[in-house]
Amino acid sequence: EPEVTQTPSHQVTQMGQEVILRCVPISNHLYFYWYRQILGQKVEFLVSFYNNEISEKSEIFDDQFSVERPDGSNFTLKIRSTKLEDSAMYFCASSERGLSNQPQHFGDGTRLSIL
Amino acid sequence: ILNVEQSPQSLHVQEGDSTNFTCSFPSSNFYALHWYRWETAKSPEALFVMTLNGDEKKKGRISATLNTKEGYSYLYIKGSQPEDSATYLCAFSSDGSARQLTFGSGTQLTVLP
Repeated sequence: EPEVTQTPSHQVTQMGQEVILRCVPISNHLYFYWYRQILGQKVEFLVSFYNNEISEKSEIFDDQFSVERPDGSNFTLKIRSTKLEDSAMYFCASSERGLSNQPQHFGDGTRLSIL
Repeated sequence: ILNVEQSPQSLHVQEGDSTNFTCSFPSSNFYALHWYRWETAKSPEALFVMTLNGDEKKKGRISATLNTKEGYSYLYIKGSQPEDSATYLCAFSSDGSARQLTFGSGTQLTVLP
């Protein structure tokens, strides 16, 4: 069964450094998402992306964050200047057409640790 | 701020027992309710997406119901097996932000052999 893949599985970065998290969504899916889960908290929505544009974003997704689809397969999340509070598990997801009755399919996540 | 609550937070049952948990969500501006099964170190696995009041969905021994007027959904597992042990997450989306899922904290189920 096709799946969403994320790399790396664990990223350790110094505070203030830029980090790029990578995702390969399911190939025929058109909508892409990033979520995060800070340890002990709920999974939180960051951003959705369709047709090379941000579709929706949350208050968390400030100017430090950006997303890109640099080619036909990858979908990336960049954090420009990381803070300690950016430490979390980051999940990428994709859905076929973003319709109400379609699930979002999640990757295994990237654990981001900011030192 | 949308609030999605799940109860109980954790649950231990014996193999063969049937069990159920609750997800409550805002009843206004409802768009969809998702259930996910999440095993440790794996990705959340989509179980159901429900959109209509009164929806009932079933997948093997797992089923779910939806009441959008009062803002709750139940997930049922019949004859629990050790492999059902996981965290079960529900997620709500509202009319204005249809693809933005708001998650509950999850119910952690442990099925004891």
